[in-house]
Amino acid sequence: GQQLNQSPQSMFIQEGEDVSMNCTSSSIFNTWLWYKQDPGEGPVLLIALYKAGELTSNGRLTAQFGITRKDSFLNISASIPSDVGIYFCAGHTNSGYALNFGKGTSLLVTP
Amino acid sequence: DAGVTQSPTHLIKTRGQQVTLRCSPISGHKSVSWYQQVLGQGPQFIFQYYEKEERGRGNFPDRFSARQFPNYSSELNVNALLLGDSALYLCASSLGQDNSPLHFGNGTRLTVT
Repeated sequence: GQQLNQSPQSMFIQEGEDVSMNCTSSSIFNTWLWYKQDPGEGPVLLIALYKAGELTSNGRLTAQFGITRKDSFLNISASIPSDVGIYFCAGHTNSGYALNFGKGTSLLVTP
Repeated sequence: DAGVTQSPTHLIKTRGQQVTLRCSPISGHKSVSWYQQVLGQGPQFIFQYYEKEERGRGNFPDRFSARQFPNYSSELNVNALLLGDSALYLCASSLGQDNSPLHFGNGTRLTVT
């Protein structure tokens, strides 16, 4: 599959802070998706992006599909303890049905 | 509405054995995909099925096989298990159109000893 470079690898923040993480690729993607995974559970879809330049919000979460179609970012505003988990970017290229995943960003939030 | 359901939740097998994992998609979803997730990594694509036909296969050996049934449920089979097959196996369903988002189950944790 296509390699997605996700950063940062981990973040340790205080409750109330804003968070930003991003994902880049050397290949063009047709979709960008952001998932959150809690321990012992499967990834849960947060936001799906389908067009270059698209900016989409879901509550305190905002994600953008980069204009070059090779990157995406996810912002979380006013973080709360339940935001703790691993966030994955993922995307589809032209070359198949596989969803390619990054290695994840581990988020820790202290009260 | 029920989400994607997988069974069993945990499984312990011995090297060389065979295993079958099961998945029921979200009602109305016609496509099922299987992913392998090892600790500390993102999920890796194994198979995608749509309307009982294999639509895509990832870079996994022939020991891995799958099928989809008329009710859109699916099974993943792994033969001749190796220690390296120990992982969380995730099933995801989608409507089936190109690039429709995947919705994941909670997975089956397979441990090979």
